Amino acid sequence: AQSVTQPDIHITVSEGASLELRCNYSYGATPYLFWYVQSPGQGLQLLLKYFSGDTLVQGIKGFEAEFKRSQSSFNLRKPSVHWSDAAEYFCAVGPLRRAQKLVFGQGTRLTINP
Amino acid sequence: NAGVTQTPKFQVLKTGQSMTLQCAQDMNHEYMSWYRQDPGMGLRLIHYSVGAGITDQGEVPNGYNVSRSTTEDFPLRLLSAAPSQTSVYFCASTPPIGSGGQETQYFGPGTRLLVL
Repeated sequence: AQSVTQPDIHITVSEGASLELRCNYSYGATPYLFWYVQSPGQGLQLLLKYFSGDTLVQGIKGFEAEFKRSQSSFNLRKPSVHWSDAAEYFCAVGPLRRAQKLVFGQGTRLTINP
Repeated sequence: NAGVTQTPKFQVLKTGQSMTLQCAQDMNHEYMSWYRQDPGMGLRLIHYSVGAGITDQGEVPNGYNVSRSTTEDFPLRLLSAAPSQTSVYFCASTPPIGSGGQETQYFGPGTRLLVL
C-alpha cells in the first residue's frame, strides 16, 4: 500500500536559516510527488511537484525538492526562510495521471523564530 | 474564476443529524475529490469523482455519500453525523487529462465541522 511519512511533526528555525523538511514514501510504481503548504485557516497550495526528469525540482516561494529513488525520499529545502514561511507543509504521493487520489503525509508544522 | 468554493465555512451538528457540504468549481475540471483533515493524520481521501455521474470511494468513505450530477458541483453528504466525523473537510479539483495540468489539485478553503 502506498504511504507517506513525514518524520518531523514540528520544526522551529530562525529567520534567515536554511530549512529541510523530510519526506519518505512507499509506492509500488512510478509516483507523482508533491509538496503542499497550508497557512493557518487556509486551504492547500501547491509548492512543487515531480514525476520524471531532473531530480531537483524548483517550486514557488524559493523552495526546491530533491527526489532520491534509492532512499524513497523527496525532501523539501529552502536556503533562507522568511517569517511568512511559517505554515504546515504536506508531502503527498499519487499515481500518474490520477492526482485526485493523493496520499498525504501527516504534515510538518514550521515555526519561524525572529 | 472563483476557483474551488466550499460552503459552509463552519458548521455545528448534533449526533444523528444530516447535512450536505457543498463544493463547486468553475474551472471545468473533470476530477474532484473530498478529503478530511485531522490533527496528526494529514489529509485522507473520502470520495472522488472522475466526471459527471462517476464517483468512487477513497480511503475513508464510511458515513459519507457523494454524487456528481454536473461537472461543477460535488456535494458531500453526512447521513447521520457522528462525533468521529468532527474534522476539517477539503474539496479539491484537478484539470482534465491532456490539459497539461492534470497532476495538480486545486483546493478549496475548507469546511470546519463539529459534531456534538
